[in-house]
Amino acid sequence: DTAVSQTPKYLVTQMGNDKSIKCEQNLGHDTMYWYKQDSKKFLKIMFSYNNKELIINETVPNRFSPKSPDKAHLNLHINSLELGDSAVYFCASSQSNGREYFGPGTRLTVT
Amino acid sequence: QQPVQSPQAVILREGEDAVINCSSSKALYSVHWYRQKHGEAPVFLMILLKGGEQKGHEKISASFNEKKQQSSLYLTASQLSYSGTYFCGTEFSGGGADGLTFGKGTHLIIQP
Repeated sequence: DTAVSQTPKYLVTQMGNDKSIKCEQNLGHDTMYWYKQDSKKFLKIMFSYNNKELIINETVPNRFSPKSPDKAHLNLHINSLELGDSAVYFCASSQSNGREYFGPGTRLTVT
Repeated sequence: QQPVQSPQAVILREGEDAVINCSSSKALYSVHWYRQKHGEAPVFLMILLKGGEQKGHEKISASFNEKKQQSSLYLTASQLSYSGTYFCGTEFSGGGADGLTFGKGTHLIIQP
C-alpha cells in the first residue's frame, strides 16, 4: 500500500489557470506538509497542517492555498498560475517529531 | 535559517568513504537526513535529536553536535547505489509541526 500518494503525477497548464494537486496519506499521521522543489533542486517548506492548525511559510504567495477535507488529505490549490510556479511539488506526512514520508511528487509545468 | 551543507558535490570511487556536513546558525532541535535520486522523492535515512547522539544505518551513520549546531553524515565503503543528492533537514523546535528547513543538498556520484 502506498503510504503517501499524490495526483496527478504530471500537470501541464497555461499561465493564468487555476489547478489543484491532491494528496492522501494512509499512515494515520497528524501532520501533513507541502514542499516545493525548484529547478535547482532546492526543497522548501510551503505549508504544514496539524490538527487543523495551518502554518504558512511567509514567502508563499497567497495564490497558493492548502485545503484539508479530513486528517488524511491535504490538497494544494493554486490560482492564477505563473511561469515561476513550475516545479515539483511534494506532499509529506509525519507524526510529531517523527520522520517525514514523502509522496512521489507532482511535476507542474506552466507554459 | 537555511542550513549550510558541504561539500556541494563529491565524486568517489566505489568503496571509498565520504562525509557530508550540515551546519546551522540557529539552535537545532533535530536533524533529518534524506537521499534523493533523480526523478524520485526524497527517501528517509535517519533522524538525530539534540543530545549529541550518533546513529547508524548499515554503512551509513550520522552524528549530531548540539553545541556546534551541526550534523555530519558518514558513508563508508560506498556502493553505486549511494549515488544521489543528500539533504539535511532541520527542525528548530519540538512539536514537529513546522516542517523541515532543508539545505541545498550535496550531490554524490559513485563511480565503479
